[in-house]
Amino acid sequence: GDSVTQMEGPVTLSEEAFLTINCTYTATGYPSLFWYVQYPGEGLQLLLKATKADDKGSNKGFEATYRKETTSFHLEKGSVQVSDSAVYFCALSPSSGSARQLTFGSGTQLTVLP
Amino acid sequence: EAGVTQFPSHSVIEKGQTVTLRCDPISGHDNLYWYRRVMGKEIKFLLHFVKESKQDESGMPNNRFLAERTGGTYSTLKVQPAELEDSGVYFCASRRTSGAGETQYFGPGTRLLVL
Repeated sequence: GDSVTQMEGPVTLSEEAFLTINCTYTATGYPSLFWYVQYPGEGLQLLLKATKADDKGSNKGFEATYRKETTSFHLEKGSVQVSDSAVYFCALSPSSGSARQLTFGSGTQLTVLP
Repeated sequence: EAGVTQFPSHSVIEKGQTVTLRCDPISGHDNLYWYRRVMGKEIKFLLHFVKESKQDESGMPNNRFLAERTGGTYSTLKVQPAELEDSGVYFCASRRTSGAGETQYFGPGTRLLVL
């Protein structure tokens, strides 16, 4: 079945540091890929998505590129802020099937220190 | 436009008791999903509704869990009787269509603790 493998956390960075959170997936066909973020005390929010190979999703300074050849969707940000402290989830939605339920990675806790 | 709402935000119950969680999706979203995150592990799919019909309940852990979506609007997830391993965060999500790449919008979750 489908699966998502996500970089283990927690990750602690200083403000303005470069961030990479690795995500790789296993799925048939061409799934859609997502990054969701959960800020403290809040629910899951969509951060960015990509629906086909070589697409780049971007939002709030975060970027991720859909790499079919390496089955990856790594999340990057050039300069993190304290307000980026949150749990980040990589997820995929299958390209077929009626439910198209999301398969999530285990989440990566990011803490940014001032 | 109001987002997905869930009630209660927290619930603490004893083993053997019953708990009912509620989800109100975004208006006009026919697709409704339940997910669960247990013990800081990955978020796992429980089931999917299209309007009032269950389309896929392959993720439901056992028959102690019962989900309904009467009238195709809000949904409830009942756990009866609750066990210790049911503790976790229960998320509800909705989306407008079943098209590929369509975004699912999540509620804030219900944090359930079974003692």
